[in-house]
Amino acid sequence: QVQLVESGGGVVQPGRSLRLSCAASGFTFSTYHMHWVRQAPGKGLEWMVVISSDGTNKFYADSVKGRFTISRDNSRNMLFLQMNSLRAEDTAVYYCARDYKEPLDSWGQGTLVIVST
Amino acid sequence: DIQMTQSPSSLSASVGDRVTITCRASQGITNELAWFQQKPGKAPKSLMYTASSLQSGVPSRFSGSGSGTYFTLTINSLQPEDFATYYCHQYHGYPYSFGQGTTLEIK
Repeated sequence: QVQLVESGGGVVQPGRSLRLSCAASGFTFSTYHMHWVRQAPGKGLEWMVVISSDGTNKFYADSVKGRFTISRDNSRNMLFLQMNSLRAEDTAVYYCARDYKEPLDSWGQGTLVIVST
Repeated sequence: DIQMTQSPSSLSASVGDRVTITCRASQGITNELAWFQQKPGKAPKSLMYTASSLQSGVPSRFSGSGSGTYFTLTINSLQPEDFATYYCHQYHGYPYSFGQGTTLEIK
């Protein structure tokens, strides 16, 4: 069955970096666009970034452009999010989700990132 | 950027009721509108896409309609497991965006 498993979250100080991973299984990863969506505590969903199936095209929300970088390794069925210059407002649960003919039809369980001193 | 506005923000209803949630887009998005259900501590679950197409496994009491800028999600005969937060989502253009959410609570 389709499975997306995020990892890499934790507590990090403002200004530092963190790299999130999303391991995909149960489907042909290389045919799907992949997204990161986040949710601050008690808040709604915020779309952040997408990467095309072959990794050549990426689009970022303004809130993370220039600080976050999405990448993927289709040989290992892995999605990544490199987060630099982290701010308190980046504190959230980060979800990866896939996208093909049906948008965001499967999500991971999320990984919590806390940016705090 | 396309802004999505849901109403109401919260809603109280009873088991067996019929409820409707609305979602408005700041510009036309044809039918590129999805709905998600989220329960506390869980990841969102896809309910619907292209405004009115049910995801596999979603009960038929859920229905969606609309196109352009106005969309609705209707739940007929509410069941206890339907009490959750619902989000609309436009995938017409980047940056993608979500509505602010509608929390459906038991009356």
